[in-house]
This record gives sequence, C-alpha cells and structure tokens, in this order.
Amino acid sequence: EPEVTQTPSHQVTQMGQEVILRCVPISNHLYFYWYRQILGQKVEFLVSFYNNEISEKSEIFDDQFSVERPDGSNFTLKIRSTKLEDSAMYFCASSELVGNQPQHFGDGTRLSIL
Amino acid sequence: AQSVTQPDIHITVSEGASLELRCNYSYGATPYLFWYVQSPGQGLQLLLKYFSGDTLVQGIKGFEAEFKRSQSSFNLRKPSVHWSDAAEYFCAVGPGGSGTYKYIFGTGTRLKVLA
Repeated sequence: EPEVTQTPSHQVTQMGQEVILRCVPISNHLYFYWYRQILGQKVEFLVSFYNNEISEKSEIFDDQFSVERPDGSNFTLKIRSTKLEDSAMYFCASSELVGNQPQHFGDGTRLSIL
Repeated sequence: AQSVTQPDIHITVSEGASLELRCNYSYGATPYLFWYVQSPGQGLQLLLKYFSGDTLVQGIKGFEAEFKRSQSSFNLRKPSVHWSDAAEYFCAVGPGGSGTYKYIFGTGTRLKVLA
C-alpha cells in the first residue's frame, strides 16, 4: 500500500538555525498538509497546500514557517530561526481529494531544538 | 467553535476484554469523523472513517465505531482487545464541505493492555 514518507526521522538543531523537513506524499494525491504534535499534546494543523499554493494555514503558521513543493514528488516544511518551542513531532499528510478522502499520515519527524 | 473531546486520557483493560473509547465533537457542518492509532514512535494510522450512510463503520484490526448524531459522539469499540492494541488513539473531525481543509484532533486516549 502506498504511504507517505518523511525524512529525517529525527532532527536535532541548534536554536536559531534553519531546518527543512522533507516529505514524499502518495503519488496521486493532490492535497498536502503539515501538522505538529508537541510532546504530550494534541496533533495540531499547521498548513494545507494545493495546486502549488497554501490553501489554509493556522495561527501557528507564521512568517517563521514556509512550505514548498520543489519538484513533482517532494513537499517540504522550512522553519527559519528555530526556537526551543518548535521542538515537536511534525507530521506530513496527503489526500487524493479534500473532504471525503482521508488524509494519510507519515511516520513523522521528531525535531529537537537545543 | 470546532472541537473534539476525548474524555479519557488513559484506559487500562485486560487482554481479551472489550474496549470502548469515547469521542465527542462540536462541529458546525456535518462532520467527517476518523479514528487514528499511534504506536510509540510511529505515525498516525487510519483505523476507520465515517462520511455518511450506515452509522456503524468497520475498520482495520477488528475495530468499529458508531456515529450518533444526537449525542455528537463517535465512539470506538473492539469486542476483544489484544496486547498489540496498546497505543494512543486519536479521534479527529475533518472537513465536511465547510470550506476548510484541516483535521481537528482530540487529545488522545492512551490504551494499556494487561496480560
């Protein structure tokens, strides 16, 4: 069964540095998403992306964050000038359509900011 | 405001016992409802989904869930729990044609299974 893949599985970064989290969505999917889960808390929506542009973003997704689909297969989340509170598990998801097609999640990237 | 409530943070059951995990939602439009499971260090695996039609839906690993509109609930059940079911379970509400794309997750229920 096709799956969403994320790399790396664990990223350790110094505070203030930039980090790029990478995702390869399921190949025929058109909608892409990033969520994050701070340790012990709920999974929170960050952003959705369709047709090469952001379709929705949460209040968490401020100017520090950006997303990109640099080619036909990758979907990236960039976090500039990382802060300690950015430490979390970041999940990429994709769906074929929006609405009655479920979002399929990757295994996540654990981001640790030192 | 849209929200999902999972009242039970932790649940412990004995292997072979039945299980019910509770989920209540608040959503303006007709929701799409999901249950995901997360094993330690793993991602979110879709157990089952409800979009419309039969309010009792079957999922993978022997799980089922029942949508009750009058109670705004979507509880997850399994008749006989296996040790491998120990994990964290998340209920989520998805866009039901309301113009949003995001899923809203509950805080999760951590299931422990006693041998």
